[in-house]
Amino acid sequence: GNSVTQMEGPVTLSEEAFLTINCTYTATGYPSLFWYVQYPGEGLQLLLKATKADDKGSNKGFEATYRKETTSFHLEKGSVQVSDSAVYFCALSGAGGTSYGKLTFGQGTILTVHP
Amino acid sequence: DTGVSQNPRHKITKRGQNVTFRCDPISEHNRLYWYRQTLGQGPEFLTYFQNEAQLEKSRLLSDRFSAERPKGSFSTLEIQRTEQGDSAMYLCASSPGGGQGRNTEAFFGQGTRLTVV
Repeated sequence: GNSVTQMEGPVTLSEEAFLTINCTYTATGYPSLFWYVQYPGEGLQLLLKATKADDKGSNKGFEATYRKETTSFHLEKGSVQVSDSAVYFCALSGAGGTSYGKLTFGQGTILTVHP
Repeated sequence: DTGVSQNPRHKITKRGQNVTFRCDPISEHNRLYWYRQTLGQGPEFLTYFQNEAQLEKSRLLSDRFSAERPKGSFSTLEIQRTEQGDSAMYLCASSPGGGQGRNTEAFFGQGTRLTVV
């Protein structure tokens, strides 16, 4: 079946540091890949997505590239801010049929950014 | 449109009692999903509706769980004879869809946190 593995957390950084959160996946076919973010006290929000190999998703300074050869979708940001402190989830959506929109999530990575 | 709405936000119940949660999806989203999230874990898929039809159920959804979407709009998730292991955040999401499009973005509600004591 489908699965997503994220790097172990939590991650603690100083403001303006570079961020990488690793994500690898196992899936059949050609899944779509997502990063969701959960700010304290709020619901999950879509941060970015990529729907085919070599696509780069980007939003709010975050980027991730769909690498089929390494089955990875690592999240990066060049300069983090305190307001980026949140829990980040990597997820995939299976290809085809009724599994569109049915998401398989990683376990989440807690990011804390200090001033 | 205010997004996906879930009620109640918090529910504390005694073991053995029944509970029901409600989800109101974004208007005209014909797909609705229920997930369960336990502490320190990512959400796990429970079940999925296309309009009023329940198309898929996870093995996580035991016989004590039932979900409905009677008119293809709001949905309810009922847990009968609750157990302490049912304590979790229950998330609802909706998405547009149908056809062969690959628009798979799901919009999540804030969830209902269930505590079984």
